[in-house]
Amino acid sequence: AQKITQTQPGMFVQEKEAVTLDCTYDTSDQSYGLFWYKQPSSGEMIFLIYQGSYDEQNATEGRYSLNFQKARKSANLVISASQLGDSAMYFCAMRELNTGFQKLVFGTGTRLLVSP
Amino acid sequence: DADVTQTPRNRITKTGKRIMLECSQTKGHDRMYWYRQDPGLGLRLIYYSFDVKDINKGEISDGYSVSRQAQAKFSLSLESAIPNQTALYFCATSVERGVNEQFFGPGTRLTVL
Repeated sequence: AQKITQTQPGMFVQEKEAVTLDCTYDTSDQSYGLFWYKQPSSGEMIFLIYQGSYDEQNATEGRYSLNFQKARKSANLVISASQLGDSAMYFCAMRELNTGFQKLVFGTGTRLLVSP
Repeated sequence: DADVTQTPRNRITKTGKRIMLECSQTKGHDRMYWYRQDPGLGLRLIYYSFDVKDINKGEISDGYSVSRQAQAKFSLSLESAIPNQTALYFCATSVERGVNEQFFGPGTRLTVL
């Protein structure tokens, strides 16, 4: 069964510094996708970045990058040059691509606080 | 303009009442989903729908039902609300192709007293 683990309930970082949010996953499927979502205090879920299991390069989207280590089954989110507006909950999620539905399974999230 | 809208945004109700949460989308996506979010548990899938005629249970469907009235509308019902259904409920949409990321509505905060 697919599973996502986020072991950091909370993280603190100073403005302008980089921060890494950890995510490990478990799946028996060879083909899968990994997602990161941001949830600010207002509650909406915002898609940040995607990594496919066959993608050879790590995904990047602006200040977000995904450190994908397939052998270790990890998909850590790196936020460079943190901004105050980055303070939010961050969720890692996975979808297995060979199953019938391709269900999206979420981790429990990491709360990031960016201080001035 | 919001692509995925949910009504109501907040609702307080009493145990035993029937509640309907509505979701509408203008993205033209075929797939729609209902999730609930509880503190410390992340998001869990309640129901999902590939199209108007295809509705499926997710991992926590007990106590819930859904209706896909049109491609753009997907409603979640609590037939007889109970306190442990107090949660934040999200509707989401996606396409079948490509990255297939899900686009979420703003959420409905439901409190069952």
